[in-house]
Amino acid sequence: ETVLTQSPGTLSLSPGERATLSCRASQSVNSSYLAWYQQKAGQAPRLVIYGASSRATGIPDRFSGSGSGTDFTLTISRLEPDDFAVYYCQQYGRSGFTFGPGTKVDTK
Amino acid sequence: QVQLVESGGGVVQPGRSLRLSCAVSGFTFNSYAMHWVRQAPGKGLEWAAVISQDGSMHYFADSVKGRFTISRDNSKNTLYLQLNSLRPDDTAVYYCARERISDYGMDVWGQGTTVIVSS
Repeated sequence: ETVLTQSPGTLSLSPGERATLSCRASQSVNSSYLAWYQQKAGQAPRLVIYGASSRATGIPDRFSGSGSGTDFTLTISRLEPDDFAVYYCQQYGRSGFTFGPGTKVDTK
Repeated sequence: QVQLVESGGGVVQPGRSLRLSCAVSGFTFNSYAMHWVRQAPGKGLEWAAVISQDGSMHYFADSVKGRFTISRDNSKNTLYLQLNSLRPDDTAVYYCARERISDYGMDVWGQGTTVIVSS
């Protein structure tokens, strides 16, 4: 099974700051099969990035994804109040689907 | 409007069974693989199961393999998850989600249905 590790566990930032979230895989992941989700308290997850770097429908361009192999990054260039949430990475591989444990982006 | 609506959750005793449903509207259901993803209270997302567009293929997480079954009725635009031999650690919100056609991302999610396993 491909294990995803996300860091940091919590990121405390202010609106307008840049957020950099990391997702590391225990084995190489096909970039086409790496996604990021945003989840706010009491809500269902929302797809943010698919294929490691493509924004999902309706996602603003302050969100960007990058990476390959075992290291992937979600960047939010300038945090808006609506962006404070938990972010999960997810991959598909031979052993199936796995999610990372999540990074909580909260207000400093 | 693309929509997924789960139902069937509730409180159930350990060892008992439950069937969850996910009613789909707003898109061609039989063109998409579908997933169940669960989230225990205060925890992260855990993928549970996936079923192919025609229902012929399905895969499960090790944690539910042999106890849960996934099925779909394309004539009714409905996805199902049969939960058997339930354990307290199956307590979670269960979400159904649509899989993108090209890259295995999950682009549409329901609001979730809550399963509580407790005596």
